Amino acid sequence: DQQVKQNSPSLSVQEGRISILNCDYTNSMFDYFLWYKKYPAEGPTFLISISSIKDKNEDGRFTVFLNKSAKHLSLHIVPSQPGDSAVYFCAAYNTNAGKSTFGDGTTLTVKP
Amino acid sequence: NAGVMQNPRHLVRRRGQEARLRCSPMKGHSHVYWYRQLPEEGLKFMVYLQKENIIDESGMPKERFSAEFPKEGPSILRIQQVVRGDSAAYFCASSPIDSTDTQYFGPGTRLTVL
Repeated sequence: DQQVKQNSPSLSVQEGRISILNCDYTNSMFDYFLWYKKYPAEGPTFLISISSIKDKNEDGRFTVFLNKSAKHLSLHIVPSQPGDSAVYFCAAYNTNAGKSTFGDGTTLTVKP
Repeated sequence: NAGVMQNPRHLVRRRGQEARLRCSPMKGHSHVYWYRQLPEEGLKFMVYLQKENIIDESGMPKERFSAEFPKEGPSILRIQQVVRGDSAAYFCASSPIDSTDTQYFGPGTRLTVL
């Protein structure tokens, strides 16, 4: 049973447009959500996070939205840049368990 | 402040050999996590360790795999009698004791089993 799902394996966007990456989860015990970005041959790097008590967190071009009732979160990147091309992992954290569960990732390609 | 270090970056083993993967967490971090990424798949949790303790090993295969994080030295992920299906990228992450929600990842070890 996959508790964190990223249903789109890939997404292609034109430079300057908005990129929207989606993530769904099933476990109500998750209380913190994170997005990581991964380039080939490198480890994932933390991008942005949101607590379950909030519905939006913004950091520059990156905004994460959380809809708790729908158990859904999304990452918006605007404007998208070619350097944003990477695999994006959604992660859901359970404070009681002390660990995160990751989705399978979405490969974003931003075309010049 | 050096990040999470993993070595080797690439490891080639023949079937039946042992593989040892090392992870040095960031300075001051006492929590270590190991993940496996199979080709075309996402990050799968394997094990969560603190110094000298295994906290959660629910993602570890029952046989051939073991992990440790001794009081001194790096964390070790050990795979005995490797098989071709063990070929994957193995990532280690660490977090500080007071902020385990955000993890800092190493560059990974790519294991190839011939």
